[in-house]
Amino acid sequence: GENVEQHPSTLSVQEGDSAVIKCTYSDSASNYFPWYKQELGKRPQLIIDIRSNVGEKKDQRIAVTLNKTAKHFSLHITETQPEDSAVYFCAASSWAGTALIFGKGTTLSVSS
Amino acid sequence: SAVISQKPSRDICQRGTSLTIQCQVDSQVTMMFWYRQQPGQSLTLIATANQGSEATYESGFVIDKFPISRPNLTFSTLTVSNMSPEDSSIYLCSVASGGVSSYNEQFFGPGTRLTVL
Repeated sequence: GENVEQHPSTLSVQEGDSAVIKCTYSDSASNYFPWYKQELGKRPQLIIDIRSNVGEKKDQRIAVTLNKTAKHFSLHITETQPEDSAVYFCAASSWAGTALIFGKGTTLSVSS
Repeated sequence: SAVISQKPSRDICQRGTSLTIQCQVDSQVTMMFWYRQQPGQSLTLIATANQGSEATYESGFVIDKFPISRPNLTFSTLTVSNMSPEDSSIYLCSVASGGVSSYNEQFFGPGTRLTVL
């Protein structure tokens, strides 16, 4: 089955810096890669996703890149703000109705 | 996205008892899933709730321990049976729309925080 590895487990940055979180996956059949943000005590919220037919996707300060050959994808947050502090999870699935397999999460702390 | 609710939001239970968690969606959805999130951990898939048929369980999860029902396209229940303190966790349902020709954009319910004493 699919296995998703996520690094780093914790990340501390200064406000305004960029943050990068990386994930690798094992199943070459996976072709959908979402990222979720989870604030303390809240449900995971979908913040951005990428499909396998796209190499990069951007939404304001957030971007995701995908390298299918290497089986890795990354989340990039620019101009970080204290409200970006949360746990971020990457995940992978195929489009054939399968569930998401999650990475272990990255705790991002943005200090002002 | 669909509005998803879960009941109860939290509960404290005695070991050996069972708890049924409900997940209600405000629109029909193709796929419903149940996840577990232990304190400080990631989300682990328990099972896919199939409408009109038996749920599909992931390795390490069995129907006798986590029976699931999905009577229609907007509702599902997860029962945690014969509970032990190790079952203390947050249980989340998630939903996705679309069929085999679309991608699995999934949204989560607010979760049920279970504590077993």
